[in-house]
Amino acid sequence: DSGVTQTPKHLITATGQRVTLRCSPRSGDLSVYWYQQSLDQGLQFLIQYYNGEERAKGNILERFSAQQFPDLHSELNLSSLELGDSALYFCASSAGQGNSPLHFGNGTRLTVT
Amino acid sequence: AQKVTQAQTEISVVEKEDVTLDCVYETRDTTYYLFWYKQPPSGELVFLIRRNSFDEQNEISGRYSWNFQKSTSSFNFTITASQVVDSAVYFCALSDHNYGQNFVFGPGTRLSVLP
Repeated sequence: DSGVTQTPKHLITATGQRVTLRCSPRSGDLSVYWYQQSLDQGLQFLIQYYNGEERAKGNILERFSAQQFPDLHSELNLSSLELGDSALYFCASSAGQGNSPLHFGNGTRLTVT
Repeated sequence: AQKVTQAQTEISVVEKEDVTLDCVYETRDTTYYLFWYKQPPSGELVFLIRRNSFDEQNEISGRYSWNFQKSTSSFNFTITASQVVDSAVYFCALSDHNYGQNFVFGPGTRLSVLP
C-alpha cells in the first residue's frame, strides 16, 4: 500500500460530461502529481502541485484543471469529455525533496462512451 | 532540460534468462536522483529503487541489480534468472535536487517473460 488514495477506482461517463477525480496524498507529502496513461502508452505528465501551489504544467488540455487544497488533497477536473480522454489517471505524491520517490495511487480508470 | 530515454520498447525473454533494461538520462544538474518503477499487468506503479548522483555504487537486491554509470549517463537495470512474475512495464525516472522536484519519466520498456 503506497498510502496514496485515489477515488473513484472506475468511472464511466458519456461524451460532453464533466468528472472530478480525487487524490489524498501520503501523510506528510507536500507534492502531488497527476499523470494520464492511455492504453499501452507511457505516463503523460499533466500537472504538479507543491504545498498548495501549482509547480509545473505538462501536456494538460485546457478542458482539464486541477487544484490542491489546504489539507493537501488534490482534485483533477475533466470537462467536455471526449472518447480520447478514456485512460488511467494516476495521482502520485512525494515529500517534495529531490531524493523523494513518487508514490502512486492505484489510479482511476476513466471510460468515456 | 531533463530527459530520460529507454530505447527498448519491448523485450521478450524465456524464463530463467538474464535481461538488462537500458536507461539513459540527460541533465545539466550536478546533483540529481534516478529511480526505477515497475507496472505489472494489474496496473499499479511500484517504486523499486532510488540512486543519488554522487553514489555510483551498484546495488543488488535479490535477482535485481542496478548499474549506475555517470560517465555514460546510464542507469541500467538487470534481472537475473527472470521469472514470469517479472513481466511488466518498467519505467526509469529522473528527479532534480530542488524542493517541489521536477520528475521526468522515460517512455517505459515492456518486458515479457515467457514460460
